[in-house]
Amino acid sequence: AQSVAQPEDQVNVAEGNPLTVKCTYSVSGNPYLFWYVQYPNRGLQFLLKYITGDNLVKGSYGFEAEFNKSQTSFHLKKPSALVSDSALYFCAVRDMGGYQKVTFGIGTKLQVIP
Amino acid sequence: DAGVIQSPRHEVTEMGQEVTLRCKPISGHNSLFWYRQTMMRGLELLIYFNNNVPIDDSGMPEDRFSAKMPNASFSTLKIQPSEPRDSAVYFCASSPRGANNNEQFFGPGTRLTVL
Repeated sequence: AQSVAQPEDQVNVAEGNPLTVKCTYSVSGNPYLFWYVQYPNRGLQFLLKYITGDNLVKGSYGFEAEFNKSQTSFHLKKPSALVSDSALYFCAVRDMGGYQKVTFGIGTKLQVIP
Repeated sequence: DAGVIQSPRHEVTEMGQEVTLRCKPISGHNSLFWYRQTMMRGLELLIYFNNNVPIDDSGMPEDRFSAKMPNASFSTLKIQPSEPRDSAVYFCASSPRGANNNEQFFGPGTRLTVL
């Protein structure tokens, strides 16, 4: 079975500071990893994904994530946070060998303080 | 492209009534997913279709829930009879044809309140 853990319910960061939202995963084979963002009263929106290749993946709105196989992590990062980045962030995983079922984490609320 | 379209956006009903949620996936996408989101349980996959065929319905909570996809451009999620604990936001998502690693595109959701 595949699973995702997002250990922090909420992350607070000052505007302009770097941010990190943590994610660890568990799959039986090689993973496909995703980050999504959800703004209030909206559906989830794709940010970035790791399939293969470089461990550092760049995505939308200046976000990036680093795949670490030994630590089974895929933390989301941004060098300089904006107030508009405040939202709910979901990490997701699926097994490369499986079909398209994706398992989502519980979500982490990011609050960027002006 | 209009994206994934869901209707209604809000639904308020009384316990025992039948509820039907509708979804139109993005044209050309061959996979469709129904999710339920609550504060307590987060985002749960209810059922997944590939080429209009249900592949995994293990997340459907009980027999009161049913889903259909009669063609590539339309799917329904039905709850009969509805109960207050079904109150949640229900999302439909679709994913494009081809590679198995593609991201999902989510609709705006239907907020269901069962009184």
